[in-house]
Amino acid sequence: DAGVTQSPTHLIKTRGQHVTLRCSPISGHKSVSWYQQVLGQGPQFIFQYYEKEERGRGNFPDRFSARQFPNYSSELNVNALLLGDSALYLCASRYRTEAFFGQGTRLTVV
Amino acid sequence: QKEVEQDPGPLSVPEGAIVSLNCTYSNSAFQYFMWYRQYSRKGPELLMYTYSSGNKEDGRFTAQVDKSSKYISLFIRDSQPSDSATYLCAMSVISNFGNEKLTFGTGTRLTIIP
Repeated sequence: DAGVTQSPTHLIKTRGQHVTLRCSPISGHKSVSWYQQVLGQGPQFIFQYYEKEERGRGNFPDRFSARQFPNYSSELNVNALLLGDSALYLCASRYRTEAFFGQGTRLTVV
Repeated sequence: QKEVEQDPGPLSVPEGAIVSLNCTYSNSAFQYFMWYRQYSRKGPELLMYTYSSGNKEDGRFTAQVDKSSKYISLFIRDSQPSDSATYLCAMSVISNFGNEKLTFGTGTRLTIIP
């Protein structure tokens, strides 16, 4: 079975632009969460979706939004990019209480 | 004060040594405890998962949880150069509404010297 897949792998954007990151969970997993990992730090929780509904939101500004589709895939959108948004964005797929992460999307804002 | 504290290291040990990695936490509501391994520029890989105090063993890895002291540990026996990575502890509170936020430590960078 395929694991959690994220696209794109790498991305370079300019300050003020918008970005969309995509995630496909493990087959059968209905819960998807997004995390931001800045270099040298642990991942920080951004959003969790279950059955297309937002179930949790971390301490991130409204520039960050997400949604989950009927096939349980998910998108993370970030508007008005700042230099500080440069990070590894991780998607996690969950079955019961175990969370499995994708390889991440490395976003660089210049 | 952070909810989860983890010594960032770096930690270097010779091949074959026993490695001990530790985290402390302040939120007594945490119910589930995990250890992830993260290789450079990759996503975290789930190593161990437990929800009760005591020890859980899986091959060369042992996870230990002490809820009374709010302290968790990961032990790696017979360490190998392939164990060189960053190790992240993570904890969660599962609510009735399915909010399954993971709270991570900062990660400990481990190097096993051949």
